[in-house]
Amino acid sequence: QSVLTQPPSLSAAPRQRVTISCSGSSSNIGTNDVNWYQQVPGKAPKLLVYYDDLVASGVSDRFSASKSGTSASLAISGLQSEDEADYYCATWDDSLKGMVFGGGTKLTVL
Amino acid sequence: QVQLVQSGAEVKKPGASVKVSCKASGYTFNNYDINWVRQAPGQGLEWMGRMNPKSDDIGYAQKFQGRVSITRNISISTAYMELSSLRSEDTAVYYCARSHDSSYDAFDVWGHGTMVTVSS
Repeated sequence: QSVLTQPPSLSAAPRQRVTISCSGSSSNIGTNDVNWYQQVPGKAPKLLVYYDDLVASGVSDRFSASKSGTSASLAISGLQSEDEADYYCATWDDSLKGMVFGGGTKLTVL
Repeated sequence: QVQLVQSGAEVKKPGASVKVSCKASGYTFNNYDINWVRQAPGQGLEWMGRMNPKSDDIGYAQKFQGRVSITRNISISTAYMELSSLRSEDTAVYYCARSHDSSYDAFDVWGHGTMVTVSS
C-alpha cells in the first residue's frame, strides 16, 4: 500500500490529453515538492517534472504538472505512442522522514 | 556524458549480504547526493536512502534501518549500497540515482539498475 495514491491504469487515444492524479496527505504532498517520473518497461525511470511543476531539461513541453493542497497531477497533451509507460509521483514525507513514491500509473495509448 | 554505471547482477542465498556499486562519471561526484531506489518485479519504486558524498551525511528509509549501509569511495567516484540479512522479498532491481542540483528530492540521473535475486 503506497503512501501516495495513483490510479493503477489509464488509457487514451493518440493526440488526446490525459491527466494522472496523485493523492497524498499534509505530511507529504501538502508540505513538500512533488516530482514525476516516466518509466518504460525494462528501463530506469526518467525525471519529467520537479518542484511541483518545473519540466526537466530535455523533456517535451507536452508534459505539464500542478499541485493543489494534498494532491498533484501530471498532464500529457497530444498523446503519442512513445508516451506509453508507467508514471510515478514522488515526494518527501515528513512523518516517515523519507522519500515516498506513488504506486504508479500504467498509461496505455490506444 | 553524465552517467552512473552499476555493478552486475547478483544471486544470493537468504541470510546473505549483497553490495552494489555505482560509479559516477561526467560530473563532480562530490557535488551531488546519491540515492538508492529499488523495484521488485512488477512492483513500484521504493526509496532506500541517500548519501552526500562530500559530507558523508547519510539518511535511510525507516524500513531498511539497521539492514542497509550506503558508503562511498571519493577517489574513484563510486557509491555503494550494502543490504544484509537478505530474504526473498529483497529480490528486485536496485538503482542508484543522482539528486538534481536544484532539488535534492528529484533524481535526474539514474543508473541502469542491478538485478539482485535472493533464492535458496
